[in-house]
Amino acid sequence: DAKTTQPPSMDCAEGRAANLPCNHSTISGNEYVYWYRQIHSQGPQYIIHGLKNNETNEMASLIITEDRKSSTLILPHATLRDTAVYYCIALSYNNNDMRFGAGTRLTVKP
Amino acid sequence: DAGVTQSPTHLIKTRGQQVTLRCSPISGHKSVSWYQQVLGQGPQFIFQYYEKEERGRGNFPDRFSARQFPNYSSELNVNALLLGDSALYLCASSPGPFLTGNTIYFGEGSWLTVV
Repeated sequence: DAKTTQPPSMDCAEGRAANLPCNHSTISGNEYVYWYRQIHSQGPQYIIHGLKNNETNEMASLIITEDRKSSTLILPHATLRDTAVYYCIALSYNNNDMRFGAGTRLTVKP
Repeated sequence: DAGVTQSPTHLIKTRGQQVTLRCSPISGHKSVSWYQQVLGQGPQFIFQYYEKEERGRGNFPDRFSARQFPNYSSELNVNALLLGDSALYLCASSPGPFLTGNTIYFGEGSWLTVV
C-alpha cells in the first residue's frame, strides 16, 4: 500500500498561492491520489482527487508528476479560512481504506 | 441536498459500556465507511460497507462491529468501552466502492468520550 509523505507544516501569505507537496513514491498504477482538509477537528472536507492527469475544480488544482511519485495541491488564492490540516491520501486498492497520515498544517497569514 | 449525517454529535460513556453510533449517507450513495480519529492524529479506517456487505476492515479489535441497513444507513457499535476509545468517529459515504475513484464525503463526526 502506498504511503504518503507530507511536510508537517507550511505558512502562506493571504492572497498568494499555496502549494502543498506530497510524496507517494510507492503508489501503484491504479491508486488514486485524494486530498482532504480538516478544520478544527470537523469532518474532513473533500478537495480534489486524480489518477494520472492534472485536475482542477473550484477549490484547487492537483498536479501529478508524470511518474506519479509525487503531487502538489495548489490553492490559487489562499484566504484565512484555508488554514487547516491538509491530507494527501493514496487510496489503497487492496484494503479499500483511506490511509491518512499526519498531514500538513497550513497556516495562512494576513 | 443533505450531506452525510451522523448522530449523536457528542456523547459520554463509562468504561465497560457499549455505544452505538449512526450514519446516514448522502442520498444515492451505497457505500459507507467508518473511521476513528484520536486527538492529534489522522483518521484511521475501521470498516467499509457496500450494498450491506462488509468490504473492508481495519486493524481494530472485535469489540468494534458495524452493519448497513437496506436504506444504506449504518451503525457502528463498540462494546466494552476503554478509555482509549475516546475519539472522533467519522462516517464517509460514496456512490460505490472506493476502487472506482469515486468522490468520498465525510460527515462531521460523533465525539465519544469514555470516562
